Amino acid sequence: AQKVTQAQTEISVVEKEDVTLDCVYETRDTTYYLFWYKQPPSGELVFLIRRNSFDEQNEISGRYSWNFQKSTSSFNFTITASQVVDSAVYFCALSEARDYGGATNKLIFGTGTLLAVQP
Amino acid sequence: NAGVTQTPKFQVLKTGQSMTLQCAQDMNHEYMSWYRQDPGMGLRLIHYSVGAGITDQGEVPNGYNVSRSTTEDFPLRLLSAAPSQTSVYFCASSYSTDTATNEKLFFGSGTQLSVL
Repeated sequence: AQKVTQAQTEISVVEKEDVTLDCVYETRDTTYYLFWYKQPPSGELVFLIRRNSFDEQNEISGRYSWNFQKSTSSFNFTITASQVVDSAVYFCALSEARDYGGATNKLIFGTGTLLAVQP
Repeated sequence: NAGVTQTPKFQVLKTGQSMTLQCAQDMNHEYMSWYRQDPGMGLRLIHYSVGAGITDQGEVPNGYNVSRSTTEDFPLRLLSAAPSQTSVYFCASSYSTDTATNEKLFFGSGTQLSVL
């Protein structure tokens, strides 16, 4: 069965600190997709990244970076120089692959990590 | 471009009442799905559709019905509401392209449902 574990329930940091959100997944599939979503206090879900299992290259987007390690089944998310606007719940999610390629987008979500960035 | 539109935003029901949560997308997405979000449990998939006329059950389908008569609409029906269905409901949609390197699942803004 597929499963996503976000062991950190809540994290509190002071502005400008770096913070890493952990995500560990379980799947028997050889091809799968991993996602990160942000849910700010307003409640909407904001897409951050989608990563294919066959692409282990790390990704950097501004202050955000993602470290994908298949050997440890982890897809961790780092925010550099955190800001108050980064305060949100962050979800990691896993999707199986379709038989003919691409993700099914039937997402298995972790329970989320609440990040509080204090000024 | 409206994206994924959910109505209503808030709803209070009494146990046993029925209602339909509406979801519409204007992006010509093939895939549409419904999730519920409960405290401490993340989001869980209720029902899923890969195209008009095709629906599948997700992780927690009991108590919910869906249909997909058009590409644009994917309503979620509660036939007899129960307090256990108090939750925040999200509709989502995506393209079916298999080569997109950063394919998004677009979410609506959610419906907060309380069943008394």
